[in-house]
Amino acid sequence: QVHLQEWGPGLVKPAETLSLICNVSGYSISNGYYWGWIRQPPGKGLEWIGSVSHSGNPHYNPSLKSRLTILVDSSKNRFSLNLSSVTAADTAFYYCARATSWMTFEYWGQGSLITVSS
Amino acid sequence: DIQMTQSPSTLSASVGDRVTITCRASQTINSWLAWYQQKPGKAPKLLIYKASTLQSGVSSRFSGRGSGAEYSLTISSLQPDDSATYHCQQYNSQPYTFGQGTKLEIK
Repeated sequence: QVHLQEWGPGLVKPAETLSLICNVSGYSISNGYYWGWIRQPPGKGLEWIGSVSHSGNPHYNPSLKSRLTILVDSSKNRFSLNLSSVTAADTAFYYCARATSWMTFEYWGQGSLITVSS
Repeated sequence: DIQMTQSPSTLSASVGDRVTITCRASQTINSWLAWYQQKPGKAPKLLIYKASTLQSGVSSRFSGRGSGAEYSLTISSLQPDDSATYHCQQYNSQPYTFGQGTKLEIK
């Protein structure tokens, strides 16, 4: 069974960089699929942040691209998200997920609430 | 960006009812449309992809249809466990976008 688990700081100060890691178990990232990040401000809808292929080829939401880096670390079977220069608008639940090549999200982590506040 | 608009935003129905949720895209998305179910405090769960294909393990009470820019999700014989928020997602083109969600309450 594929299992994903997000790890993050919980609280980030404005203008700093948000860093999240998604640990994957039950499937080797290097075997394929895409790996993505989706966020959801409390009480609001879902927003696709970006995805990365198992070989490290990223696809970013243009609205976040200038601040975003998504990387794959196959040796540790995990992938990561770095979002720089955060503001209160970046406060959200952040989910990691395994995506098909079509970009439907089959397996999800439980979500990590990130609050941007001083 | 392709805008996805769901209707209604909230829906209340009784056990045993049949309900339909609609998702309209701002342009044709060629059936590249998925539906997710999300319960409070939980991650979304993939129900349907390619507009009408049921994800493995999902109850046959869920069905999807549509084409072009208009799609719908129907839940038949409502059960208490169907109480959730339902989201549509287009994956025709980047950036992949979601509807604002439809909250389904079971009376």
